[in-house]
Amino acid sequence: NAGVTQTPKFRILKIGQSMTLQCTQDMNHNYMYWYRQDPGMGLKLIYYSVGAGITDKGEVPNGYNVSRSTTEDFPLRLELAAPSQTSVYFCASSYSRTGGKYTEAFFGQGTRLTVV
Amino acid sequence: AQTVTQSQPEMSVQEAETVTLSCTYDTSESDYYLFWYKQPPSRQMILVIRQEAYKQQNATENRFSVNFQKAAKSFSLKISDSQLGDAAMYFCALSYGGSQGNLIFGKGTKLSVKP
Repeated sequence: NAGVTQTPKFRILKIGQSMTLQCTQDMNHNYMYWYRQDPGMGLKLIYYSVGAGITDKGEVPNGYNVSRSTTEDFPLRLELAAPSQTSVYFCASSYSRTGGKYTEAFFGQGTRLTVV
Repeated sequence: AQTVTQSQPEMSVQEAETVTLSCTYDTSESDYYLFWYKQPPSRQMILVIRQEAYKQQNATENRFSVNFQKAAKSFSLKISDSQLGDAAMYFCALSYGGSQGNLIFGKGTKLSVKP
């Protein structure tokens, strides 16, 4: 199983450019998440989705957008990139059903983004 | 607000010895999960151990065990028989909102293992 796959692994952007970080999972998980990790810090939640067509903000959503058109894919869009968005980005997925089966979060390998 | 605090930025242990990493948390939720994640230099986030708040028994996974003190809101990780491959960043995390993926992370503890 591939698990959670993120592309690209590395990217350098110029200030003001835009890009989309891709994330796909093949575990049929209903929940998906985007985190960012700044140097010397733990991960912080940007956005999450509880299923196709449903997204919600996390702790640090400003400057980002997401969509969830399918169960498998959860792209993260950066508009007008700024140096403050230089970070490592992680996508994750999990399964959760009220009163029933659940799993822990499975993480992709991360994307290192530098904005110059 | 929910918070997770790791007060040890760095720890060191001799190979084959035991080390304990500390974590305290704060939450108003009655139903939550606590986790320890390992992040080696490869950046991959690897789940080490999970504790369900309603379970009094401390979780164990091979050489890894936790000391869960619910009243004190403390969740420490003990690594026994430390191995060189245990060297990594270790993050304590708390989940909320009915999902094990909505996580609040601590700042991490960098563990070095000396041969």
